Amino acid sequence: DAGVTQSPTHLIKTRGQHVTLRCSPISGHKSVSWYQQVLGQGPQFIFQYYEKEERGRGNFPDRFSARQFPNYSSELNVNALLLGDSALYLCASSRTGGNSPLHFGNGTRLTVT
Amino acid sequence: LAKTTQPISMDSYEGQEVNITCSHNNIATNDYITWYQQFPSQGPRFIIQGYKTKVTNEVASLFIPADRKSSTLSLPRVSLSDTAVYYCLVGDNSQGNLIFGKGTKLSVKP
Repeated sequence: DAGVTQSPTHLIKTRGQHVTLRCSPISGHKSVSWYQQVLGQGPQFIFQYYEKEERGRGNFPDRFSARQFPNYSSELNVNALLLGDSALYLCASSRTGGNSPLHFGNGTRLTVT
Repeated sequence: LAKTTQPISMDSYEGQEVNITCSHNNIATNDYITWYQQFPSQGPRFIIQGYKTKVTNEVASLFIPADRKSSTLSLPRVSLSDTAVYYCLVGDNSQGNLIFGKGTKLSVKP
């Protein structure tokens, strides 16, 4: 089975622009979570979706939004990009949320200039 | 939300057993303990998960004492390729509230 896939792998944007990151979960997984990882730090939780409903939200501004589609894939949108948004954005899927382990993709490296 | 404390770094040599301990004093009844491994520029990879006592799989063992306030990840006979950051997570992912700390950077030397 294919793992979690994310696109694009790398992205360069300018301050003030908008970005959309995409994630396809492992087949059969209904929960998708998004994390932001700044260099040298552990991943920070942004959102979790389960069965297309937002189940949890981390401490991120409203510029960050996400959604999950009927096929369980997901998008993370970030508006009005700031230099501080430069990071590795990780998507993880799990069967049900709950205590199901997270399976991560290799992320999208976003650079804001 | 249960907070975890791990050593920032550890050094080891090839062939040795490595034990990384994580403290989680305010673990809740429903919380599981999960360990992940991360290489540079890759997403974290699931290693092992447990609730109590001992869990073993093909790559690691997880020891959890009766009070569940700490846990120890044991990696038998490490190799150079085990050099990575190891994260201990405690929580119930039903609301996406899993918190990653800074992890333990393990360096395996020849």
